[in-house]
Amino acid sequence: DAGITQSPRHKVTETGTPVTLRCHQTENHRYMYWYRQDPGHGLRLIHYSYGVKDTDKGEVSDGYSVSRSKTEDFLLTLESATSSQTSVYFCAISVSGGYTDTQYFGPGTRLTVL
Amino acid sequence: TQLLEQSPQFLSIQEGENLTVYCNSSSVFSSLQWYRQEPGEGPVLLVTVVTGGEVKKLKRLTFQFGDARKDSSLHITAAQPGDTGLYLCAGATGGSARQLTFGSGTQLTVLP
Repeated sequence: DAGITQSPRHKVTETGTPVTLRCHQTENHRYMYWYRQDPGHGLRLIHYSYGVKDTDKGEVSDGYSVSRSKTEDFLLTLESATSSQTSVYFCAISVSGGYTDTQYFGPGTRLTVL
Repeated sequence: TQLLEQSPQFLSIQEGENLTVYCNSSSVFSSLQWYRQEPGEGPVLLVTVVTGGEVKKLKRLTFQFGDARKDSSLHITAAQPGDTGLYLCAGATGGSARQLTFGSGTQLTVLP
């Protein structure tokens, strides 16, 4: 257990509404990530952060924004949700160790956009 | 964009059978990780392989990294129902695994 929580765990919303997902970690790790998981696509990186207020885009960043004002919290915002953003969203942290880092994942948020 | 192709996408076998899952790419990775994911949970790391040709064993699971560091395999001996889950490979570039490219996953079902 890497001390990662995600909220909410489930959300149903309507097209065009804003949605914010929260990822919280308890161990002050520098790197945090947001992924989405869809059938047949594995996990795809949306955005990541390498420190407070330091973020960068991933493979599928269009339609998403992120913010990190505190080390422990990484927020993912869908400014205007679309049905194509229906997915399961995972937050992860990267923990340094030995010759390589390891990513630990939160429990996920299932988002449905109607 | 670096792609990792996993095969097969779905696999259903009887308890006690052996199986192999493959992860292939045209790109070279500095390391490759295998994860297992159960329904409603996030992926959990099983192993990291770093050196070309490396073989790691985790009880009944054997992981191999290709000599050219472009492919990997996961072999399970005498599969058990508890092995059921989604197996994901993920390749890292650079000196750390801070950015990963994931394969599409193999959904394994082991029937009792």
